[in-house]
Amino acid sequence: LAKTTQPISMDSYEGQEVNITCSHNNIATNDYITWYQQFPSQGPRFIIQGYKTKVTNEVASLFIPADRKSSTLSLPRVSLSDTAVYYCLVGSDYKLSFGAGTTVTVRA
Amino acid sequence: EAGVAQSPRYKIIEKRQSVAFWCNPISGHATLYWYQQILGQGPKLLIQFQNNGVVDDSQLPKDRFSAERLKGVDSTLKIQPAKLEDSAVYLCASSLALGVTESSIQYFGAGTRLSVL
Repeated sequence: LAKTTQPISMDSYEGQEVNITCSHNNIATNDYITWYQQFPSQGPRFIIQGYKTKVTNEVASLFIPADRKSSTLSLPRVSLSDTAVYYCLVGSDYKLSFGAGTTVTVRA
Repeated sequence: EAGVAQSPRYKIIEKRQSVAFWCNPISGHATLYWYQQILGQGPKLLIQFQNNGVVDDSQLPKDRFSAERLKGVDSTLKIQPAKLEDSAVYLCASSLALGVTESSIQYFGAGTRLSVL
């Protein structure tokens, strides 16, 4: 099971881009990278998933370099409602585990 | 499309009492997960079902926790007897299938907040 390392917290302001980098040096060939978002008193919510290069959807982008030892979640033009905990998960089959996540605080 | 339903939302019990949580996954989802989330930590997987069979229960404290998924749909998680350290949010999630592809994306319920006094 690949171990992941993320910053504990990040601060930003409305309208800025937020980039959260997750390190996963021992990622395996079959492992995918998945990000979830969690608001207080709610369960985590899927944001984006990728294997290599770049993936973009309506809420975020995921950048994965060629060596796949890290990945960066990019949240464009954040708003106050993006204040949440963001989790990076790495794994294949059914072996996924949540770390402590990154608490992102967006200020006005 | 209805999401993952959990009940109750809140539960307060005294230590050594028993408690049960219920989860109804999204229709058609074969895989069901129970997580424990202690305040300030990420969710910790307790048990994972594929249909009505257990895939992984390596982190389930089996001396006091039990879970079942009869008929491969609804699931119940029980704690008997409860300890103070069981105070946490218990999250249920479901996914279409196993494996890390689009079909393994997990959808979470709102959770049950348990307080053990």
